[in-house]
Amino acid sequence: EPEVTQTPSHQVTQMGQEVILRCVPISNHLYFYWYRQILGQKVEFLVSFYNNEISEKSEIFDDQFSVERPDGSNFTLKIRSTKLEDSAMYFCASRDGTANTEAFFGQGTRLTVV
Amino acid sequence: GEDVEQSLFLSVREGDSSVINCTYTDSSSTYLYWYKQEPGAGLQLLTYIFSNMDMKQDQRLTVLLNKKDKHLSLRIADTQTGDSAIYFCAESMGINSGGYQKVTFGTGTKLQVIP
Repeated sequence: EPEVTQTPSHQVTQMGQEVILRCVPISNHLYFYWYRQILGQKVEFLVSFYNNEISEKSEIFDDQFSVERPDGSNFTLKIRSTKLEDSAMYFCASRDGTANTEAFFGQGTRLTVV
Repeated sequence: GEDVEQSLFLSVREGDSSVINCTYTDSSSTYLYWYKQEPGAGLQLLTYIFSNMDMKQDQRLTVLLNKKDKHLSLRIADTQTGDSAIYFCAESMGINSGGYQKVTFGTGTKLQVIP
């Protein structure tokens, strides 16, 4: 069964460093998303991406964050100048172009900022 | 804005039924979902219900929707130890002009099944 894969599964970084979280969506999918879950809190929407551009973003997704689909298969989330409060589980999801279908989620990347 | 609330923890004995409850605030929610997250794994869609339905049954899973009270529940019959996981309630308003379907999640209910 096709799946969304995320790498790495766990990333530890020093405060102030830049990190790139990688996702490989399901190959024929057209819509891509990033969500995050701070420990003990809700899964929060960050951004959606369609047709090589951001289609919607939350207030969390400020200038510190950026997304890219550099090569037609990977979908990346870049976090610049990481802060302690960026520590969270980051989930990538993708959806095909058919109306009302579910979004398939990856297993998540746990980001720890120290 | 949208808000989805769940209790944090539920413990049941193997073979009993589990009922996980959820309330949501957005009356324009079109789809309501239940996702399951096993340790170290991603979010797996278990089932979903359209807002014009009251109930949906899928094998051991029964979803009940009370749209008037904005209350959603997931019943797992004959709960097994493999059902131990975190269960997330989620809602969305469906498709917008950009084709995007934003999903709002609850905090998740950790289900512990005691052998």
